[in-house]
Amino acid sequence: QKEVEQNSGPLSVPEGAIASLNCTYSDRGSQSFFWYRQYSGKSPELIMFIYSNGDKEDGRFTAQLNKASQYVSLLIRDSQPSDSATYLCAVKGGSYIPTFGRGTSLIVHP
Amino acid sequence: EAGVVQSPRYKIIEKKQPVAFWCNPISGHNTLYWYLQNLGQGPELLIRYENEEAVDDSQLPKDRFSAERLKGVDSTLKIQPAELGDSAVYLCASSHGTGEGDGYTFGSGTRLTVV
Repeated sequence: QKEVEQNSGPLSVPEGAIASLNCTYSDRGSQSFFWYRQYSGKSPELIMFIYSNGDKEDGRFTAQLNKASQYVSLLIRDSQPSDSATYLCAVKGGSYIPTFGRGTSLIVHP
Repeated sequence: EAGVVQSPRYKIIEKKQPVAFWCNPISGHNTLYWYLQNLGQGPELLIRYENEEAVDDSQLPKDRFSAERLKGVDSTLKIQPAELGDSAVYLCASSHGTGEGDGYTFGSGTRLTVV
């Protein structure tokens, strides 16, 4: 069974700090990786995706992928209280259907 | 561009009653998904449609759940009869396809409470 693991948190960081969210996956054949943000009571929204080893930057967000170690991470620079949400990692393999982790709760305190 | 539209937003029913959820995907998105999300968990796939064809329904409890996507646009998900354990958020999502970079756009979800 394909598994996507995330620490449920909460991860608490001060405003302005870097928040680091991690995700590991079991299927070595996984090809693309997604990060979704979900505010309480709302539906998930796509932040970014990555499918090549290395870093991908989009504004304050950086996704990092290491296929050899089977992990993907999301860095949020200059964290803001509005970044407080649950961050879901999703991994897509040969079936083309993403498997979601349970999410990590992030709290950015002023 | 209008997003994925779902209705109703909330539904409370008694156990053993039927319930139906409706989804209108983003125009031009051929792939439609129904997910179930329990509190504190990630979304779990129930069924995937490519146009009007259900291509992945292995996780759908077929004894009580059914879905359809007539004409390859709108979709409905039905539960009959509902059980207490069905209480969850039912999310509909759509995408252009299933390629590497095709992420989902989710609807607002239907929060079902079975009492």
